[in-house]
Amino acid sequence: GIQVEQSPPDLILQEGANSTLRCNFSDSVNNLQWFHQNPWGQLINLFYIPSGTKQNGRLSATTVATERYSLLYISSSQTTDSGVYFCAVERGFGNEKLTFGTGTRLTIIP
Amino acid sequence: GAVVSQHPSRVICKSGTSVKIECRSLDFQATTMFWYRQFPKQSLMLMATSNEGSKATYEQGVEKDKFLINHASLTLSTLTVTSAHPEDSSFYICSATKRGTGAEAFFGQGTRLTVV
Repeated sequence: GIQVEQSPPDLILQEGANSTLRCNFSDSVNNLQWFHQNPWGQLINLFYIPSGTKQNGRLSATTVATERYSLLYISSSQTTDSGVYFCAVERGFGNEKLTFGTGTRLTIIP
Repeated sequence: GAVVSQHPSRVICKSGTSVKIECRSLDFQATTMFWYRQFPKQSLMLMATSNEGSKATYEQGVEKDKFLINHASLTLSTLTVTSAHPEDSSFYICSATKRGTGAEAFFGQGTRLTVV
């Protein structure tokens, strides 16, 4: 099956810092999503981004499908950004399972 | 975004009993829903694909007789953990895909199951 690796596994930053999270995947995909899992376990949808670039406030994401990677940028970090960030990919078009990456645990220190 | 509701959010049960978890898509219909399991500090692993009107498809290593899935309607799937044991304690989370300009998956709030 498809392999999804995220880096770095852990990241500790001061409030206000910027960060870049990376997601590499081993095969072609038709769906890629970024999620933030909060301390209560809820998965919050950040981006649906099978290709291209999107921005939403302090967050932006870029997927280069031909090179099989995606990047999530977080600018001016806040303590509420802490949690685990997952990317997940699907080879189909919504009727197949999402394969989750290994996750990046982000801790923002006040 | 779309809303997927999962209940209960937390349940404690005794060994040997069964627990039912519900997953509802509140504002869209979903012919397919997915059930995942997550152990502490690990990623999500797919357990099974729930198909409306037909049998669920289970991932390798997942016992279909222990984890019963019923997709009774286009907005409801249920996961029943039968004869639960302490090793079944975990975080269970469902998802449904909303089709529009793409096929974006939305997740329920998750259910933390503790078997004592």
